[in-house]
Amino acid sequence: GENVEQHPSTLSVQEGDSAVIKCTYSDSASNYFPWYKQELGKGPQLIIDIRSNVGEKKDQRIAVTLNKTAKHFSLHITETQPEDSAVYFCAASSPRRGTGGGNKLTFGTGTQLKVEL
Amino acid sequence: DAGITQSPRHKVTETGTPVTLRCHQTENHRYMYWYRQDPGHGLRLIHYSYGVKDTDKGEVSDGYSVSRSKTEDFLLTLESATSSQTSVYFCAIGSSGEGGSEQFFGPGTRLTVL
Repeated sequence: GENVEQHPSTLSVQEGDSAVIKCTYSDSASNYFPWYKQELGKGPQLIIDIRSNVGEKKDQRIAVTLNKTAKHFSLHITETQPEDSAVYFCAASSPRRGTGGGNKLTFGTGTQLKVEL
Repeated sequence: DAGITQSPRHKVTETGTPVTLRCHQTENHRYMYWYRQDPGHGLRLIHYSYGVKDTDKGEVSDGYSVSRSKTEDFLLTLESATSSQTSVYFCAIGSSGEGGSEQFFGPGTRLTVL
């Protein structure tokens, strides 16, 4: 099955700097790659995603890049702010094989981002 | 939280007792999922549902069962809770049957099994 590795596990940056989180995946059939932000005591919140027919996607200060050949994708946060401090999860999705369809998300183990003043 | 509620939000129970967690959605999404979150493991899929009375197993389904009698409700049952099932449980919903659909998560239920 799919295996997703995420690095680093912790990341500390100064306010205003950029932060980059990297993930690799193993299943070449994976075709959808979401990123989630989780604040303490809350559920994961989808912040950006990318599909396999696109190499890069931006939304204001966040961007995601995908390299299908190398099977890796990255989250880039520019001009970091204290409110960006949270745990970030990458995931890879492959179509479920069998009855019902839907997609199976396999998650990385998370990156604790701390933005220091 | 995209019209998803989970109940209870916190529960403490004893080993060997049955426990049922409830997920309720107001989005009329077809797909519903139960995940557990543990340190060092990220989120792992327990079971999912692709319609009323239609469910399938995820990667960590042993010791868990699910039921979906209405579109809006998805129940997760621990028949006989064990300490290894102490975790935070998240429900998620999704609307598409194709690979690549978004999943939206509820606020979570923190379960402690003593």
